[in-house]
Amino acid sequence: GNSVTQMEGPVTLSEEAFLTINCTYTATGYPSLFWYVQYPGEGLQLLLKATKADDKGSNKGFEATYRKETTSFHLEKGSVQVSDSAVYFCALMSGAGSYQLTFGKGTKLSVIP
Amino acid sequence: DGGITQSPKYLFRKEGQNVTLSCEQNLNHDAMYWYRQDPGQGLRLIYYSQIVNDFQKGDIAEGYSVSREKKESFPLTVTSAQKNPTAFYLCASSHQQGRRGNTIYFGEGSWLTVV
Repeated sequence: GNSVTQMEGPVTLSEEAFLTINCTYTATGYPSLFWYVQYPGEGLQLLLKATKADDKGSNKGFEATYRKETTSFHLEKGSVQVSDSAVYFCALMSGAGSYQLTFGKGTKLSVIP
Repeated sequence: DGGITQSPKYLFRKEGQNVTLSCEQNLNHDAMYWYRQDPGQGLRLIYYSQIVNDFQKGDIAEGYSVSREKKESFPLTVTSAQKNPTAFYLCASSHQQGRRGNTIYFGEGSWLTVV
């Protein structure tokens, strides 16, 4: 079956620090990969996505590269801000026609001034 | 503004009661979904619907029911058979399935607490 494993949180960083949140997956077929962000008390927002190997998704300074050989989709940002404090979810959708996202458990990020 | 509207934001249920969470979208999306989120956990799929008058069970459908009478609406009923309903419920929608990289968009969520 499909599964997503994210690094355990919480992660606490100082403002302007470099961020990496690791995500690895197991999937049947050839999945699409997503990062969603959830701010306190809110729903999920799509942050970025990639649909094929070596694709790089990017948005708001965040990046993630679809690595098929290592089955990974690590999220990175060069300089975090306090406003980036949120929970980040890695997810996959396995193949065309799939109806379901499989989520990791989420990683809580706190950025301190 | 286009989007997904969930209501109410906060809901309290007494033991033995059924409650219904509303979800409306004006994105002209064909597919709609309900997810449950528990603290420190990822999201789990309750039900999904690809077209009007059709819906399918997800991973944790027991104790829940849905209807899809209109394309823009997908209400979720949490029945008294759901033994542990306290959670954050998220409604979502997407364009017709079958497209690679199909993005699922989420509403703001509804908090349900049993009192």
